[in-house]
Amino acid sequence: GQNIDQPTEMTATEGAIVQINCTYQTSGFNGLFWYQQHAGEAPTFLSYNVLDGLEEKGRFSSFLSRSKGYSYLLLKELQMKDSASYLCAVRDSNYQLIWGAGTKLIIKP
Amino acid sequence: IAGITQAPTSQILAAGRRMTLRCTQDMRHNAMYWYRQDLGLGLRLIHYSNTAGTTGKGEVPDGYSVSRANTDDFPLTLASAVPSQTSVYFCATGTSGGDTDTQYFGPGTRLTVL
Repeated sequence: GQNIDQPTEMTATEGAIVQINCTYQTSGFNGLFWYQQHAGEAPTFLSYNVLDGLEEKGRFSSFLSRSKGYSYLLLKELQMKDSASYLCAVRDSNYQLIWGAGTKLIIKP
Repeated sequence: IAGITQAPTSQILAAGRRMTLRCTQDMRHNAMYWYRQDLGLGLRLIHYSNTAGTTGKGEVPDGYSVSRANTDDFPLTLASAVPSQTSVYFCATGTSGGDTDTQYFGPGTRLTVL
């Protein structure tokens, strides 16, 4: 079967750095996505990785290792508004997105 | 219209009733999707459409039907609602065929079936 694993919840301090991990086992791989979802709102796109390595976008970076079936999202200089759920999704061989359950990130002052 | 709209925002429905959730986009994206999101589970694909006139089944299609008469609209119908269909429903669009094919989500419909 297809599986995306990520931690259920993480806590971090304002101004700090946090890394959210995602491991996957899917039938085929055609890219990995990270989305942010604030409570009661729709998911919004953060990043996309299809090749191994690090993609940096301002305070957010995403890393991919296809051989290990592993990705992480790195958030720097955390702000209170970063409190949200972070969803990892993999596009499989049918070009459909398989979603993890999400990691709820709690930021404390 | 700006982006993706969904209606209604929320609905309480008696079991056995028929219900159509509406989704409209003005982004001219070819692909459209319906997901449900339940606590503790990832988004699950119900149905999708790669282009107007075509539809396909996702991971959890039973009890749901869709149509895609034109590019902009992609309604989801529950023929006879059951309590297990209580969920938050998101409509999404995508460019289809592109390398990234990022999906963009509507604001969601919160449905409760009693």
